[in-house]
Amino acid sequence: AQSVTQLDSHVSVSEGTPVLLRCNYSSSYSPSLFWYVQHPNKGLQLLLKYTSAATLVKGINGFEAEFKKSETSFHLTKPSAHMSDAAEYFCVVSDPTGNQFYFGTGTSLTVIP
Amino acid sequence: EAGVAQSPRYKIIEKRQSVAFWCNPISGHATLYWYQQILGQGPKLLIQFQNNGVVDDSQLPKDRFSAERLKGVDSTLKIQPAKLEDSAVYLCASSPWAGDEKLFFGSGTQLSVL
Repeated sequence: AQSVTQLDSHVSVSEGTPVLLRCNYSSSYSPSLFWYVQHPNKGLQLLLKYTSAATLVKGINGFEAEFKKSETSFHLTKPSAHMSDAAEYFCVVSDPTGNQFYFGTGTSLTVIP
Repeated sequence: EAGVAQSPRYKIIEKRQSVAFWCNPISGHATLYWYQQILGQGPKLLIQFQNNGVVDDSQLPKDRFSAERLKGVDSTLKIQPAKLEDSAVYLCASSPWAGDEKLFFGSGTQLSVL
């Protein structure tokens, strides 16, 4: 079975400071992991995905995530937060077929001016 | 490229009434998903279609929920009768093929059951 746990339901950062959104995964196989972002009144959008190539994955809008097998983690980071980054972020793991996607409960990011 | 279209955007009904949601995926996308997102939770898969066939509906409450994708293009999700706990955002997503691993989501339909 596979699942993800997002360790923080809410994160607040000041504009221009680093962002860290934490995600731990559980999987009985080598997982594919994703981060999706959901802005208010907009559809979920893929930020980045890890599929067993490089452990450091770069995504859109300056976000990146590092796959750490020893820690079963896939934390999302950004060096400098922008106001437009305020949104809900979901960590996702897929099953081996790539058909099923299991979402975490989400982390709400607030960016303070 | 047009995105995944969903309608209506909002729907308010009373319990025991019926409701239907519509989704038009990105043109050419063979796989279509319906997810339920309850406030404060991550999306949960209800049903997955590959063309006009059902791949997985194990999480669909079949006593009240039904979905179809008759021509392998657009899809309808129905709830009859609705319960209070069905209040949620219903998200439709599509991908070019099963196993593609990248989902394209619509904006969702927000359902309130009173």
